[in-house]
Amino acid sequence: GENVEQHPSTLSVQEGDSAVIKCTYSDSASNYFPWYKQELGKRPQLIIDIRSNVGEKKDQRIAVTLNKTAKHFSLHITETQPEDSAVYFCAASRRGGSNYKLTFGKGTLLTVNP
Amino acid sequence: NAGVMQNPRHLVRRRGQEARLRCSPMKGHSHVYWYRQLPEEGLKFMVYLQKENIIDESGMPKERFSAEFPKEGPSILRIQQVVRGDSAAYFCASSPFLRTGNNQPQHFGDGTRLSIL
Repeated sequence: GENVEQHPSTLSVQEGDSAVIKCTYSDSASNYFPWYKQELGKRPQLIIDIRSNVGEKKDQRIAVTLNKTAKHFSLHITETQPEDSAVYFCAASRRGGSNYKLTFGKGTLLTVNP
Repeated sequence: NAGVMQNPRHLVRRRGQEARLRCSPMKGHSHVYWYRQLPEEGLKFMVYLQKENIIDESGMPKERFSAEFPKEGPSILRIQQVVRGDSAAYFCASSPFLRTGNNQPQHFGDGTRLSIL
């Protein structure tokens, strides 16, 4: 089955700096890669996703890049703010049939210091 | 459009009792997923259901756990004879179905925090 590795497990940055979180996946058939933000005691919230036919996707201060050959994808947050502090999870899944289930990384605790 | 609704938010059970967790998907969503999250860990897939069908239960323990998504009403995750190791947050997510078959974003509920005494 799919295995998703996520690094780093913790990341501390100063407000205004950029933050980068990296994930690798093992299943070359995976083609959908969402990122979720989870604040303490809250639900995971989808912040951005990318499909395998696209190399990069941007939404304001958030961007995701995908390298299918190397089987890794990254989340980039620019101009970080204290409210970006949370745990971020990457995930991967295949397309179709029973394959829609998400396999998650173990998460990155991002702390943005004011 | 109401989001994914889960209840109860918190559930306390004694060892050996049954726990019943409910999930109502977003309006128009026909796919439901259950995930389990242990403290300071990621989410682990348990089961994927469509109306009246279990599509994939590969992540759900074979014993004591069952899930359903009836034609009418919410999806139910049922844990019989609970043990301490069942203590976790259980999240439900839902997504719509599109004929293209492409993955659709999964939207999560607030979860049920299950504590076993």
